[in-house]
Amino acid sequence: NAGVMQNPRHLVRRRGQEARLRCSPMKGHSHVYWYRQLPEEGLKFMVYLQKENIIDESGMPKERFSAEFPKEGPSILRIQQVVRGDSAAYFCASSPGGAIGNIQYFGAGTRLSVL
Amino acid sequence: GQQLNQSPQSMFIQEGEDVSMNCTSSSIFNTWLWYKQDPGEGPVLLIALYKAGELTSNGRLTAQFGITRKDSFLNISASIPSDVGIYFCAGQPNNYGQNFVFGPGTRLSVLP
Repeated sequence: NAGVMQNPRHLVRRRGQEARLRCSPMKGHSHVYWYRQLPEEGLKFMVYLQKENIIDESGMPKERFSAEFPKEGPSILRIQQVVRGDSAAYFCASSPGGAIGNIQYFGAGTRLSVL
Repeated sequence: GQQLNQSPQSMFIQEGEDVSMNCTSSSIFNTWLWYKQDPGEGPVLLIALYKAGELTSNGRLTAQFGITRKDSFLNISASIPSDVGIYFCAGQPNNYGQNFVFGPGTRLSVLP
């Protein structure tokens, strides 16, 4: 998973602030996925993006959360007006695209703590 | 939608023992993946399976793609302390192009 870069690794925010999590996919990958993981729980799918397009956002909360993957630069997961319940590890994965064998490779995650 | 179940949810074993875990679904999947997540890190791909009945090894790890295409198994032989972590299965549904579905994970603890 060394190829998928997430930053920051740790992020502390106070309630009401904004959190921006960045993900640079592996070289040659055009698909990005964001997952959320609470302590002692599994990965919860949030959103799937290709360059400049949101393909599937069925796991994204309807309010305060947004994601983008611009033509240039990293994918951004943005959480506005954070609340304590947003504290979690957020993982990004990337894949090369294509229907078959579209294997996802994960980054090391960003751990968000909301005070 | 498709869901994956993993069993056991957690297991405690003695160092040196073999481990078996599985992943099941009521739906058919075309690709199965097994990942391991170390504490504080992201999941790392262990094994990918593409054909029903396929048996693939990676060192002490062996995984199989079930004949029914609704399940997969992961075995770890002669466990060591660094095998501790969470093991996730992921399946790509029958409709190619759909996102992978992840299981809830099996938490493995290895006692010295």
